Amino acid sequence: QVQLQQWGAGLLKPSESLSLTCAVYNGSFNDYYWSWVRQSPDKGLEWLGEIKLRGMTKYNPSFKSRVSLSLDTSKNQFSLRLTSVTAADTGIYYCTRIIRGMDVWGPGTTVTVSS
Amino acid sequence: DIQMTQSPSILSASVGDRVTITCRASQTVRDWLAWYQQKPGKAPRLLIYKASTLESGVPSRFSGSGSGTEFTLTISSLQPDDSATYFCQQYDNSRTFGQGTKVEVK
Repeated sequence: QVQLQQWGAGLLKPSESLSLTCAVYNGSFNDYYWSWVRQSPDKGLEWLGEIKLRGMTKYNPSFKSRVSLSLDTSKNQFSLRLTSVTAADTGIYYCTRIIRGMDVWGPGTTVTVSS
Repeated sequence: DIQMTQSPSILSASVGDRVTITCRASQTVRDWLAWYQQKPGKAPRLLIYKASTLESGVPSRFSGSGSGTEFTLTISSLQPDDSATYFCQQYDNSRTFGQGTKVEVK
């Protein structure tokens, strides 16, 4: 059964960059899109972007200038970078697999942006 | 951006009741719509994709219908374990979620 494990810094200061990584276990890495979704009380669930093999990416236009996704096929990992964070970027960040819908989710990483 | 609006925001019903949640899109999303269930402290779980296709392992009391701009998620006989928040999500043009419907089981 495919599992996602995610990690990254949980406390950031305004203007810093958020970096999270998600590892894929027990499943194929090459056949799917992999995405990041965040959840906050104010904005609810927001899709940030997704990536597939050969670096094919799609981004949410609301984040496009600040967000980038990358993948490391040798490690079955993919990563999120969000620059110039503010308090509005506080929330729980999830990595997900996309095949039909988002059928596999990581456990979530709580990120807090505070000075 | 395509906006997704769910109704109601909160729903309270008894065990065995038939429950329906509505999701409306600000423009057509054809049948590119998914439903998710989320319990407190957990990640969302995919229930239905392509508007009406049940994800593997999801109980058959869940069903989805609709196309274009109006969709419904129905729980045919509400169970205590169905207490959760439910979200719709379109994936026709980018991906956007509804604001959620909290279902409480009396």
